[in-house]
Amino acid sequence: KNEVEQSPQNLTAQEGEFITINCSYSVGISALHWLQQHPGGGIVSLFMLSSGKKKHGRLIATINIQEKHSSLHITASHPRDSAVYICAVSSTQGGSEKLVFGKGTKLTVNP
Amino acid sequence: KAGVTQTPRYLIKTRGQQVTLSCSPISGHRSVSWYQQTPGQGLQFLFEYFSETQRNKGNFPGRFSGRQFSNSRSEMNVSTLELGDSALYLCASSFGGELFFGEGSRLTVL
Repeated sequence: KNEVEQSPQNLTAQEGEFITINCSYSVGISALHWLQQHPGGGIVSLFMLSSGKKKHGRLIATINIQEKHSSLHITASHPRDSAVYICAVSSTQGGSEKLVFGKGTKLTVNP
Repeated sequence: KAGVTQTPRYLIKTRGQQVTLSCSPISGHRSVSWYQQTPGQGLQFLFEYFSETQRNKGNFPGRFSGRQFSNSRSEMNVSTLELGDSALYLCASSFGGELFFGEGSRLTVL
């Protein structure tokens, strides 16, 4: 079982819909990151969370430390939101801190 | 402020060769980390450097190495290339824990 699980793997939505992507993790973490990757490879960091909730424009990220779960919400989705969204956790293992990544959620928003 | 710059963007090597990739972080950022992305394994952490010292390391063989210079620029080297090393190699600089990624270097091993 992967240490970081994302769901769904693929998501297709119509423009304007509310979208939720989920991330569950099984290890102790110091922080959780939500990343966005467009075709071509470039990755943009959307949020870094260690507790609670953060909002940036139409994007909202929440984390529940006790349940080891985070969600990324996109309100009023737009075709330009089409990308792969990746959850990553900062985890200390064997005395070394490293980022562990989920497999990503491919989002397609149709006009 | 310039972003994270990685060079080269694309390169093709043959099995057994070695390769060196370069990463220039955002000015003022002292932490640089490297990642490998493949279709099968997704994103995997390689190593992190801070003030010229390797601070953290992922689970990769010793063929993968790196270093950081006094100006925070970092290089990673892969020796004795294997077909499975074909991947997108990304670096990120960080400040206060927030990550800023470069566009990546796409390596193809033939």
